[in-house]
Amino acid sequence: EAGVAQSPRYKIIEKRQSVAFWCNPISGHATLYWYQQILGQGPKLLIQFQNNGVVDDSQLPKDRFSAERLKGVDSTLKIQPAKLEDSAVYLCASSLRDLQAQFFGPGTRLTVL
Amino acid sequence: DQQVKQNSPSLSVQEGRISILNCDYTNSMFDYFLWYKKYPAEGPTFLISISSIKDKNEDGRFTVFLNKSAKHLSLHIVPSQPGDSAVYFCAAQGGGGADGLTFGKGTHLIIQP
Repeated sequence: EAGVAQSPRYKIIEKRQSVAFWCNPISGHATLYWYQQILGQGPKLLIQFQNNGVVDDSQLPKDRFSAERLKGVDSTLKIQPAKLEDSAVYLCASSLRDLQAQFFGPGTRLTVL
Repeated sequence: DQQVKQNSPSLSVQEGRISILNCDYTNSMFDYFLWYKKYPAEGPTFLISISSIKDKNEDGRFTVFLNKSAKHLSLHIVPSQPGDSAVYFCAAQGGGGADGLTFGKGTHLIIQP
């Protein structure tokens, strides 16, 4: 069974530029999550989708971050414009259903200069 | 405020001995707890979980103990092996196991030969 796929793996941009990350969850997994992991911290939930609907985006900085999950499968996370403090690893995870473990992709390491 | 706390940033254990990683939480609404293992440049990998209605769950060399009254859980690894060297994250989940995960900051476990 293929795992969660993410691209790109690394991205370097200058502040005020925009960037987009892509995630393809495990086949059949209805729930998809985006997390932000800043160096030295644990991952922090940004947004949770159930199929193509948003379940929780309370910690998403909506003035600059946006996410969508078209057709309930792939998802993209966008930052526009980026700030220095957005430098982090962005992790995508998916789960089959409630009380099932979330499986994580390898992450995208973003550096904002 | 940190709802999930891992107070030991690092832990060094001799190969073959028991590794004990600790985690405390403050939110009594959490009802599902998980441990993840992370190697550098990879996403977190699910290790073991426990529901709040249990006090112990075992899977091979890994055992998780939950003390609800103390809001404390621990991960025991017996015997410890060199491949166990990694960062271990404690995570908690509410909403009957439907919410996103709240992570601790992680403990870096080093297994010495």
